[in-house]
Amino acid sequence: EAQVTQNPRYLITVTGKKLTVTCSQNMNHEYMSWYRQDPGLGLRQIYYSMNVEVTDKGDVPEGYKVSRKEKRNFPLILESPSPNQTSLYFCASSSSGLYNEQFFGPGTRLTVL
Amino acid sequence: GNSVTQMEGPVTLSEEAFLTINCTYTATGYPSLFWYVQYPGEGLQLLLKATKADDKGSNKGFEATYRKETTSFHLEKGSVQVSDSAVYFCALRHTNTGNQFYFGTGTSLTVIP
Repeated sequence: EAQVTQNPRYLITVTGKKLTVTCSQNMNHEYMSWYRQDPGLGLRQIYYSMNVEVTDKGDVPEGYKVSRKEKRNFPLILESPSPNQTSLYFCASSSSGLYNEQFFGPGTRLTVL
Repeated sequence: GNSVTQMEGPVTLSEEAFLTINCTYTATGYPSLFWYVQYPGEGLQLLLKATKADDKGSNKGFEATYRKETTSFHLEKGSVQVSDSAVYFCALRHTNTGNQFYFGTGTSLTVIP
């Protein structure tokens, strides 16, 4: 089944404790992206990647890191999480053509205390 | 730059009512346009799309027509059901920014019996 998977789905952590949210897709997509969703603010893009070893900042990259060493994986790293990073996070992937839609993962709900 | 503006919610309708959610975009040329739906507790999933002017996307009774002259892609459904309660996002994808995606802020719809 074609899908985007994220782990963990739920995470409660404390300020300053490094964490990684994994994202993997099995559709051989070039394009991958991370978003956060907050009430009243819609979806905001954190980072995106056009292909392996190519990443770029989105609208709200501060406090986050990403890497794209393999085509299928695009982990999101919070080196020193803070409470303002409490949010619902979505990973998405897409083929690179203009007409192609993004496929979204199920989301990771992160709470930073 | 590219952007998407959609009507603010929340929207509350009675079952079998007619639905319109307005979406307008700012972009030069011919982006691809998408509507995504997010059911409670889930990730976003593609509802419909249109890739050129005057195209009509349709799915599950929902329709949207790509209007270049008004830069709009309004979502409509003739008779909503309780199961349509969700958040709806309008989005575009454009070659002028490397096939990046741009999302509206989302419109929450609640359908009451």
